[in-house]
This record gives sequence, C-alpha cells and structure tokens, in this order.
Amino acid sequence: AQKITQTQPGMFVQEKEAVTLDCTYDTSDQSYGLFWYKQPSSGEMIFLIYQGSYDEQNATEGRYSLNFQKARKSANLVISASQLGDSAMYFCAMSHSGNTPLVFGKGTRLSVIA
Amino acid sequence: GAGVSQTPSNKVTEKGKYVELRCDPISGHTALYWYRQSLGQGPEFLIYFQGTGAADDSGLPNDRFFAVRPEGSVSTLKIQRTERGDSAVYLCASSFDGGSYNEQFFGPGTRLTVL
Repeated sequence: AQKITQTQPGMFVQEKEAVTLDCTYDTSDQSYGLFWYKQPSSGEMIFLIYQGSYDEQNATEGRYSLNFQKARKSANLVISASQLGDSAMYFCAMSHSGNTPLVFGKGTRLSVIA
Repeated sequence: GAGVSQTPSNKVTEKGKYVELRCDPISGHTALYWYRQSLGQGPEFLIYFQGTGAADDSGLPNDRFFAVRPEGSVSTLKIQRTERGDSAVYLCASSFDGGSYNEQFFGPGTRLTVL
C-alpha cells in the first residue's frame, strides 16, 4: 500500500523568502507519480507540480520546485519568493502511473507573514 | 472552459436520510474520482470510474455508499441512511486518459452535514 507522510502540521515563512514543505512516501511500486496540491481557504484543490518516479531531473513550475530524492523516498516542495497569496494548506500525494486514485498526506498549513 | 462542477455546494440532512451528490466533470475527461475530506485531513479516495464503469470502489466505507456514472459523464454519489460520521466535504475530480500521468482537476466540493 502507498502512504504519504507530511510531518509539518504548520509552517510560517516571511514574505519573499523561500520555504520547504516536507513529504516522504512509502510504496513498493517501481513506477509512480508524486503530486503537490494547494488548498486555499475557499476549499478547491489546485494542482501545483508533478514528479514521475523515472524522471531524472527535479520538476519545476514557476516558483515551485520539487526536491525529489528517490533513495530517501522524499519529495519536498520548495516555494521560492513566498507571497501572501501562498498562505494555504498544501498536500503531497502519490499514485501509481496512469489513471489511478491519489493517496494524500495530512497536509501542511503554510502561513506567509508580511 | 468549464471546470469540474459539483452540486449542491452545501447539504444539511438529518441522520437516517438519503442524499445524492452530483459531479459534472470536464468535458472529454474519461476518468472520474470521488474523495472524502474530513476536517483537518487530506482527501481520502472513495471510488474511481473509467468511462461508465467503476474501475475501483475499494475506498467506499460500507454498503450505504454507492456511485453511478451511467453515460460516462455526470456522476452521482448516493449515501443511504446517513450517519453523523458521514459529515465531510465530498470532492470530485476528473482527468483525461492519456500520457504517463494524468493531472486530476478537482471540483469545489460538497459540504455534507448530517445532524
């Protein structure tokens, strides 16, 4: 079975600073995908970034990058130049390859301070 | 284009009643997922459709929960004899079947409160 662990219930970061949100995972699959989603107080889940288990380079999407360390089974999200609008819940998730359900962690609440 | 829509946005019901939650996926998306998110938790998988058929219903907690997708588009999650523990936000997501991975697009959710 797949499992996602997010050990930081809450994080604070100063505006314009970078922040790393931790995510470790457990799976016996060789092929899998790792995702990060943002959930603002409005409740919708917003896709941020994806990393495939066979991708050799870390994924990047604008201010978001994924620090993928396969041997350590970690997939940390790095947000650069934090903005007030980044304040939200952040969920790490994983799936088998292709169209399969996501397994989510418990999330980390990020608060950006002006 | 239109995203995933869910109705109603809020539903309050009494214990023991029957409820239906509707999900309208993005046009052309063949895969549809239902998740349940309790307060302070991440979403938990309930059921997944590929076209009209349920490809995986292993997340349904018991036989009071049932979902259909008769024409491969709109899906309805049905909960019989609701219990207070069913109170949660029910999220629907859809994705396009193609490529090595498929980003799931989520709807705004239906907040179910069972009194």
